[in-house]
Amino acid sequence: GIQVEQSPPDLILQEGANSTLRCNFSDSVNNLQWFHQNPWGQLINLFYIPSGTKQNGRLSATTVATERYSLLYISSSQTTDSGVYFCAVGLRNFGNEKLTFGTGTRLTIIP
Amino acid sequence: KAGVTQTPRYLIKTRGQQVTLSCSPISGHRSVSWYQQTPGQGLQFLFEYFSETQRNKGNFPGRFSGRQFSNSRSEMNVSTLELGDSALYLCASSPWAGDKETQYFGPGTRLLVL
Repeated sequence: GIQVEQSPPDLILQEGANSTLRCNFSDSVNNLQWFHQNPWGQLINLFYIPSGTKQNGRLSATTVATERYSLLYISSSQTTDSGVYFCAVGLRNFGNEKLTFGTGTRLTIIP
Repeated sequence: KAGVTQTPRYLIKTRGQQVTLSCSPISGHRSVSWYQQTPGQGLQFLFEYFSETQRNKGNFPGRFSGRQFSNSRSEMNVSTLELGDSALYLCASSPWAGDKETQYFGPGTRLLVL
């Protein structure tokens, strides 16, 4: 099956710093998404980004589908940004799609 | 609009027992997907239901099953529990089958198998 690798696995930053998280995937995909899981386990859909660039406030994401990678940028980090960031890719088959998740990047923002 | 709700939030069972978890989707959403999250295997897709029919299934043994009711609420059942079934079980709802762009997750059910 498709492999999804995320780097770095862990990241510790001071509040206000910027960060870049990377997601590499092994095959062509129909869908790529970024999620944030907070310390209580709640998973939030950040971006649906099979290709191109999107921005939402301090967060932005870029997917280069032809080179099979995606980047998530977080600027001016806040403590509420702490948690685990997952990327997930989807393959569509006869209208059905299942997501395959990466192992995540654990981000800790220190005040 | 109320979000996705899951009950119970926490559960402790012993090996060999069975368990049923419930997920109520956002009003108007007809698709419900289930995921298992463990420290060892990470987040894995279990199955997706739409209009009371299983549309998609991950690579899990037959001990894991689910169903969806006419009001779109879904349940998943795990029979003959094993220690390795200890996990956070997440459900997510979306308006349509295969729609991942507008998929919202519930808070999860933490299952501990002793």
